[in-house]
Amino acid sequence: EAQVTQNPRYLITVTGKKLTVTCSQNMNHEYMSWYRQDPGLGLRQIYYSMNVEVTDKGDVPEGYKVSRKEKRNFPLILESPSPNQTSLYFCASSPQGTAQKFYGYTFGSGTRLTVV
Amino acid sequence: DQQVKQNSPSLSVQEGRISILNCDYTNSMFDYFLWYKKYPAEGPTFLISISSIKDKNEDGRFTVFLNKSAKHLSLHIVPSQPGDSAVYFCAASEYSGNTPLVFGKGTRLSVIA
Repeated sequence: EAQVTQNPRYLITVTGKKLTVTCSQNMNHEYMSWYRQDPGLGLRQIYYSMNVEVTDKGDVPEGYKVSRKEKRNFPLILESPSPNQTSLYFCASSPQGTAQKFYGYTFGSGTRLTVV
Repeated sequence: DQQVKQNSPSLSVQEGRISILNCDYTNSMFDYFLWYKKYPAEGPTFLISISSIKDKNEDGRFTVFLNKSAKHLSLHIVPSQPGDSAVYFCAASEYSGNTPLVFGKGTRLSVIA
C-alpha cells in the first residue's frame, strides 16, 4: 500500500530534550515536506526537500532541523524542544514537477507532540 | 501575507442540503488548485482539484468552481452527509509545480443530521 509513515503518533517530552520524528514513504517520491497544524493557523510548512541532499526552509523553520540522506526518509529533528513547539505535525510526499500538481501530496497520519 | 485565504473558520449545514466552502487567493501565478479533507487524528487527504484552464470540475457529490478574474474558488458538496464533517483545506500551486503547495487555514464543516 502506498503510504507515508510517521513515528511516533504521540509524544510527550520535556523542554530541551532532543527528539526526532521519523517519516518514510514507499512511493519513490522526490518531494517531501513537514507541516505543523495549530488551531486557527492551518497548515504551516516547516521544511521541504526536492530530492536527496536538497532541503529548504518553509514558513516556520525556527527550532527545527531536517535531513534527506535517502529518498524515502525525511526525519524532523528538534534539537532543544520548547513548549511553543507543541503541535500536530504532518509529513507529506509527492512526485516532482508537474506531476505534483495533479496528484497533490500524500500525508502521513500525524504526530501529536507535547512539550512540557 | 496570506496567499490563500479561507475566511470562514467554520460552517454548519443540515444533512441533504448544499455545503459551499470558499477560498480566495492573491498570487496570479497560481494555476492549479486542490481541496483536501481532514478528519481528526488523520492526515489530510486529497479530495478534488482544478486547473486554471477550467472553470468547473465535478467528482460525484463534489464540484469545484474557479473564477479566475475574481481569484476565487469554491467547493460545493451536494447533498451534504454527516460523514462530510471534517476540516477542508484549499491549496494552490504555481506553474512549475516545483514550489510547495500553499494552503489556506481551513474551514471546519459540520453536517447536522
